[in-house]
Amino acid sequence: AQSVTQLGSHVSVSEGALVLLRCNYSSSVPPYLFWYVQYPNQGLQLLLKYTSAATLVKGINGFEAEFKKSETSFHLTKPSAHMSDAAEYFCAVSGRFQKLVFGTGTRLLVSP
Amino acid sequence: GAVVSQHPSWVICKSGTSVKIECRSLDFQATTMFWYRQFPKQSLMLMATSNEGSKATYEQGVEKDKFLINHASLTLSTLTVTSAHPEDSSFYICSARYGSASGADNEQFFGPGTRLTVL
Repeated sequence: AQSVTQLGSHVSVSEGALVLLRCNYSSSVPPYLFWYVQYPNQGLQLLLKYTSAATLVKGINGFEAEFKKSETSFHLTKPSAHMSDAAEYFCAVSGRFQKLVFGTGTRLLVSP
Repeated sequence: GAVVSQHPSWVICKSGTSVKIECRSLDFQATTMFWYRQFPKQSLMLMATSNEGSKATYEQGVEKDKFLINHASLTLSTLTVTSAHPEDSSFYICSARYGSASGADNEQFFGPGTRLTVL
């Protein structure tokens, strides 16, 4: 079985500051890991995904994440936050049967 | 990129009526479609997995007679909420995946969601 834990339901940063959203996973099989962003009343947009290739994954909009097996983590980072980054972010894990299991989400708030 | 649409984007209905939500893959053939439900300020919960031409597989706790899923073609899946009640009010999101074989990196492409409000 797979599960995802996102630490912090809300993260607040100032514009231009580093963004760090935490995700820890549990998986009994080699995991495939995803980060999605959701804007209000919209569906999900894929930011990036880890599929057992490079452990440092670069995504869209300047985001990246590093897969650390020893820490069972897949934290999302961005060097400099923009106001437009304010949204809900979901980490998800997929296993053998390819169903996505989502974390509870982290709302990113960006202040001027 | 792969685009998934949903229709309607929002719907308000009276208690006891049925509502149909369509999910379409616009520029690819989706072998599998997924239906999720999202309550306010919560995560997505998978309701069912739908493969073209076969019966949907429902997650535990999801009433298959209440949430009817039809995946009649490789580009269309429908979710019908039968005899809707206020507790069925939610944000329903579909996703579609193409590709043939196993391999969990087959990406899911998400629709924009449908907000259902049952009065």
